[in-house]
Amino acid sequence: NAGVTQTPKFQVLKTGQSMTLQCAQDMNHNSMYWYRQDPGMGLRLIYYSASEGTTDKGEVPNGYNVSRLNKREFSLRLESAAPSQTSVYFCASSPDWGLAEETQYFGPGTRLLVL
Amino acid sequence: AQTVTQSQPEMSVQEAETVTLSCTYDTSENNYYLFWYKQPPSRQMILVIRQEAYKQQNATENRFSVNFQKAAKSFSLKISDSQLGDTAMYFCAFMKHAGNQFYFGTGTSLTVIP
Repeated sequence: NAGVTQTPKFQVLKTGQSMTLQCAQDMNHNSMYWYRQDPGMGLRLIYYSASEGTTDKGEVPNGYNVSRLNKREFSLRLESAAPSQTSVYFCASSPDWGLAEETQYFGPGTRLLVL
Repeated sequence: AQTVTQSQPEMSVQEAETVTLSCTYDTSENNYYLFWYKQPPSRQMILVIRQEAYKQQNATENRFSVNFQKAAKSFSLKISDSQLGDTAMYFCAFMKHAGNQFYFGTGTSLTVIP
């Protein structure tokens, strides 16, 4: 059971380039999330998908778009990367939205460097 | 708005000793959850322990326990019999009862010394 997987593990971009971070979960979870973690800080929510077919903004959505491709997959796209988007990106999933007693399961992270 | 504060950026402890990590938070919510997550060098976020605010009894998970003081809005993590594998960043986090957005503290880097 792989849990939550993310690709790529590491990526270097030039300012203005675009890329998509991929996330997949095999736990049949309804809800999925994208976070970013900057040095010396905790994770901050970028976007989430409460269920297949829905997406909503989190705390720091500017500069990002997301797609809930199907129940398993939730991608994060940077249309025009900026140095301020250098960060570690985590994907997570949970059985359902709105139930804090349910654990969120995190992927291993994608380290992104924008030059 | 919810805020979570971890005032100890770095801590160290001798192997087999006990260490306590501090966390305070601010919220106007009455029902919520508090969490401690561990992030080892692999960067994986691992849930250590969770506390429901309406439960007075402190949560425990093997060597990990919390001291939850609701009135003081304090949520400290005690690690007993520290092991080398406990070396990691530890994040305190808050979540409203009806919701899934975490509010994380800035973390405490714990080093267990052999």
